[in-house]
Amino acid sequence: AAGVIQSPRHLIKEKRETATLKCYPIPRHDTVYWYQQGPGQDPQFLISFYEKMQSDKGSIPDRFSAQQFSDYHSELNMSSLELGDSALYFCASSLGSISTYEQYFGPGTRLTVT
Amino acid sequence: QKEVEQDPGPLSVPEGAIVSLNCTYSNSAFQYFMWYRQYSRKGPELLMYTYSSGNKEDGRFTAQVDKSSKYISLFIRDSQPSDSATYLCAMSVSSASKIIFGSGTRLSIRP
Repeated sequence: AAGVIQSPRHLIKEKRETATLKCYPIPRHDTVYWYQQGPGQDPQFLISFYEKMQSDKGSIPDRFSAQQFSDYHSELNMSSLELGDSALYFCASSLGSISTYEQYFGPGTRLTVT
Repeated sequence: QKEVEQDPGPLSVPEGAIVSLNCTYSNSAFQYFMWYRQYSRKGPELLMYTYSSGNKEDGRFTAQVDKSSKYISLFIRDSQPSDSATYLCAMSVSSASKIIFGSGTRLSIRP
């Protein structure tokens, strides 16, 4: 079965640079969620989209922005990168915005800021 | 104090043992309870979800929710070395609200 696809899988950036992470949800899934997971920590919810509209917002820094496109893929844009932004970034998808309990996660993008 | 508490472990048991993983929570409004399995450097994999109180079984896995005690459990029967992973509990207030994760329990099954 098709799963959530994230690209790139690994990304190395320098401080103050920008990064764009992409997420392709499971086919027919219309809701995407972004999470940040630091080493040894649980995933922290950043933001979610349903039908191209922001549906919920968590602890996403103002330096980050995201959007969902007409084909339901989503991009997380990160600017003025800081060392503390180094983490695993996961995208998850679900069918409908009222099934947050049934999210399926992608393999993640490992971002390293040097 | 975090809304969802989970013992980080590590928990090491011999192959074939019954494993019990637990979480406690403070928000009585939580209605949906999930268990995720995460292998090293991989994304969390949804194992099971339950709504409100009660038990749910899926193969070797059984999830229990006790809302009166604000306590949830995941039992793994006939544990296998391939079950070695970090297990994360997660909860949400409604089907449309964001999910809150526990910190995860590292489980190791010894052959």
